[in-house]
Amino acid sequence: GQQVMQIPQYQHVQEGEDFTTYCNSSTTLSNIQWYKQRPGGHPVFLIQLVKSGEVKKQKRLTFQFGEAKKNSSLHITATQTTDVGTYFCAGPTQDSNYQLIWGAGTKLIIKP
Amino acid sequence: KAGVTQTPRYLIKTRGQQVTLSCSPISGHRSVSWYQQTPGQGLQFLFEYFSETQRNKGNFPGRFSGRQFSNSRSEMNVSTLELGDSALYLCASSWSTSGNTIYFGEGSWLTVV
Repeated sequence: GQQVMQIPQYQHVQEGEDFTTYCNSSTTLSNIQWYKQRPGGHPVFLIQLVKSGEVKKQKRLTFQFGEAKKNSSLHITATQTTDVGTYFCAGPTQDSNYQLIWGAGTKLIIKP
Repeated sequence: KAGVTQTPRYLIKTRGQQVTLSCSPISGHRSVSWYQQTPGQGLQFLFEYFSETQRNKGNFPGRFSGRQFSNSRSEMNVSTLELGDSALYLCASSWSTSGNTIYFGEGSWLTVV
């Protein structure tokens, strides 16, 4: 079945360093969505990318959707403690009622 | 606009019991999906309902069931609880089912003892 692989599983960074998480789908996606879950919280929608090669920015966060619409990345510049949490990507299947398929998430940990 | 509301927020049950969790979607949203999240784990899809019909189902045993009412509110039920069912159960709503953005509630934390 369709899968979305997300790496890395964890990333430890010093505050101020950059952070990147990657998602790769086994099939073409009509869109890709990114969510953030703070520790003890629930996932919160960040952004949706639809177009091939699309790049969107939200302050220090940059989201990219690959040309083939099979991969995506989230890059955070100069991480802050408020960025701590788990970042998930998700994309709808094309073969089963558009069910969202989720990456396993990347946990961003800021080193003390 | 009120967000997705889940009740109860926290509950403790004993092995073998059953539990019912409730979800009220954002006003106007007709799709409700349910996820299970165990500590440190990802989101495991349970099922999705739209207009009172189950559209998708994840790979969970038949002990897990759900339904949706005409006002789009949804419930999920877990029967014969096992220790491994201890998890955060998240409900999410969306205005449609076509792979659009979903909005999560704060979840129901279930502990089975």
